[in-house]
Amino acid sequence: EPEVTQTPSHQVTQMGQEVILRCVPISNHLYFYWYRQILGQKVEFLVSFYNNEISEKSEIFDDQFSVERPDGSNFTLKIRSTKLEDSAMYFCASRGLVGSTDTQYFGPGTRLTVL
Amino acid sequence: LAKTTQPISMDSYEGQEVNITCSHNNIATNDYITWYQQFPSQGPRFIIQGYKTKVTNEVASLFIPADRKSSTLSLPRVSLSDTAVYYCLVGGAGNNRKLIWGLGTSLAVNP
Repeated sequence: EPEVTQTPSHQVTQMGQEVILRCVPISNHLYFYWYRQILGQKVEFLVSFYNNEISEKSEIFDDQFSVERPDGSNFTLKIRSTKLEDSAMYFCASRGLVGSTDTQYFGPGTRLTVL
Repeated sequence: LAKTTQPISMDSYEGQEVNITCSHNNIATNDYITWYQQFPSQGPRFIIQGYKTKVTNEVASLFIPADRKSSTLSLPRVSLSDTAVYYCLVGGAGNNRKLIWGLGTSLAVNP
């Protein structure tokens, strides 16, 4: 069964450093998302991406964040200058069909720890 | 986007049927109802999705009354491995379809 994959599973970084979280969505999917979940808290929407551009972003997704689909398979989230409060699980999700009710499928997540 | 309300926690025993009810009074006409399961430090896993009446798959059933202001996830004969957090989400209508998450229901299945 196709699945969303994410790398790395765990990333430790120093405050102020840049990190790139990588995702490989399900191959025929068209919509891509990043969410995050701080330990013990709700899953929070960060950004959605379709047709090579951001379609919506939350207020969490400030200028420190960016997304890219550099090739036909990868979808990346970059945090330019990490802060302590960026420590969280980051989930990538993808969805298939245009205008349908198709479900979002989530990856296993990347645990980001900012020291 | 419609807000959802579900119990914070539930307890059950192995072999029992578990029903988790979610209320979504402000659901829009074109909103679907989706349930996810999440284990600690893992990504949410899709369980079931429906629009009205009843939907059943190999793991669960989803009951939606005619007014669609609530829905009930039914897990037949739970096992210890069903201990997880269960989220009810509505909305995501349109092509963007972001998901707005609540705190979910923490289900503990006891031996």
